[in-house]
Amino acid sequence: AQKITQTQPGMFVQEKEAVTLDCTYDTSDPSYGLFWYKQPSSGEMIFLIYQGSYDQQNATEGRYSLNFQKARKSANLVISASQLGDSAMYFCAMREGTENQGGKLIFGQGTELSVKP
Amino acid sequence: DAGVTQSPTHLIKTRGQQVTLRCSPISGHKSVSWYQQVLGQGPQFIFQYYEKEERGRGNFPDRFSARQFPNYSSELNVNALLLGDSALYLCASTYFWGETEAFFGQGTRLTVV
Repeated sequence: AQKITQTQPGMFVQEKEAVTLDCTYDTSDPSYGLFWYKQPSSGEMIFLIYQGSYDQQNATEGRYSLNFQKARKSANLVISASQLGDSAMYFCAMREGTENQGGKLIFGQGTELSVKP
Repeated sequence: DAGVTQSPTHLIKTRGQQVTLRCSPISGHKSVSWYQQVLGQGPQFIFQYYEKEERGRGNFPDRFSARQFPNYSSELNVNALLLGDSALYLCASTYFWGETEAFFGQGTRLTVV
């Protein structure tokens, strides 16, 4: 069964430093997509970055990059130059199948990131 | 442009009652998905609708139902509420049913007492 595992319930990082949030996944489908979302205390899920299973290069979006290691089934999020506003819950999610097969997302348990001044 | 809007933002209901949650997708988006997020956990998929048809259903009891209207807005209904239904209910919209990026609303926080 498809599964997303985030093993870090909470993380602390000093402002302006980089931080890595871990995510491993399990699927038997050769086509899948991996996502990271940020959830502030307001509750809204904010899309950060996407990696397709066939993408050759790691995805990057501004200060966010996804360290995709397919053989290890890991999709870690790297946030560079942390800012106080980065303090939030972070969720890793997976969509099985191609984009034409629907958009059901499977989420991990989340990692709470706290950025210290 | 307005994002995904959900109403109400907060709701308190008594066990056994019924509740209806509403979602308006981003203008032009044709697909709406519903997720339940219990405190301390990640969201769980409930339903996906595209062009007014159900395209996916998660592992939830028949007390949960949904529909999508011609203007692509959606309602989630939960009957015979249980204490365990207390959660943040999130709505997500995409233009197509399987796009890479889903836009979420701020959610409806339901408390069942």
